[in-house]
Amino acid sequence: KAGVTQTPRYLIKTRGQQVTLSCSPISGHRSVSWYQQTPGQGLQFLFEYFSETQRNKGNFPGRFSGRQFSNSRSEMNVSTLELGDSALYLCASSYDRVFVNTQYFGPGTRLTVL
Amino acid sequence: DAKTTQPNSMESNEEEPVHLPCNHSTISGTDYIHWYRQLPSQGPEYVIHGLTSNVNNRMASLAIAEDRKSSTLILHRATLRDAAVYYCILNRVTSGTYKYIFGTGTRLKVLA
Repeated sequence: KAGVTQTPRYLIKTRGQQVTLSCSPISGHRSVSWYQQTPGQGLQFLFEYFSETQRNKGNFPGRFSGRQFSNSRSEMNVSTLELGDSALYLCASSYDRVFVNTQYFGPGTRLTVL
Repeated sequence: DAKTTQPNSMESNEEEPVHLPCNHSTISGTDYIHWYRQLPSQGPEYVIHGLTSNVNNRMASLAIAEDRKSSTLILHRATLRDAAVYYCILNRVTSGTYKYIFGTGTRLKVLA
C-alpha cells in the first residue's frame, strides 16, 4: 500500500504570497491532519479533516486554511505569507477520527518564505 | 493547558534497553498517551499508545504510572536504526473533538 504523499516537497515563496500544499492519504483513510514543524515551536497541530469537513483546529491564524475532497485528498493554503511561516508542513492520515487511531505521516513539504 | 515534558536528549549503547521518560502531570482522565518517533528527514511514525494499562507491541513497551502523571517508553534492545527524536503526545478528547499535544521530544543517540 502506498504511503502518504505530499507535494511539492520543497517550496520557496516570498512574503505576502500565498501557497497551496497537497496531501494524498493512504488509500482507504478518511481522516487527514496537518501539522507545522519548526525548530522553535516543534510540532504543532493545525487542523483535521474528516469526510470533507474540518473537525478540529489548532491555534493558528485564519491565514491557514484547508479543505478535503471527496476522495479524501486534502489541500492546505496559507495566505499572505510571513517569514515565520517557514517550516516543515506535515500531513498525516488515519483510517478514522484521530482519537486512538494510528496516524501515518508523509515526508512533509518544506516551505521557505523569503 | 496540558503539556508533556521530556529530556532533550539521551544516549544508549547498541543492544541495550532504553527507557525514555515523559512527564504529563496535567493529564486528564480521558487523555490517551501516544508515542511517535521521527527519523532524520522523515515524518513521524507511530510507536505505541495507551490509556491506563501498560502496553506492548513489536516495537516497544509503554509503562504508564499508576497516577498517569508520567509514562516511560521502553525500547528493549536499541539498534542504530532507533536513533530518532521520540515524541510523547497527549491526545485529549473533549466533546467529540480532540487536541494532539506534542512534547518537545527526546533525541535518542545510539552508540555502536
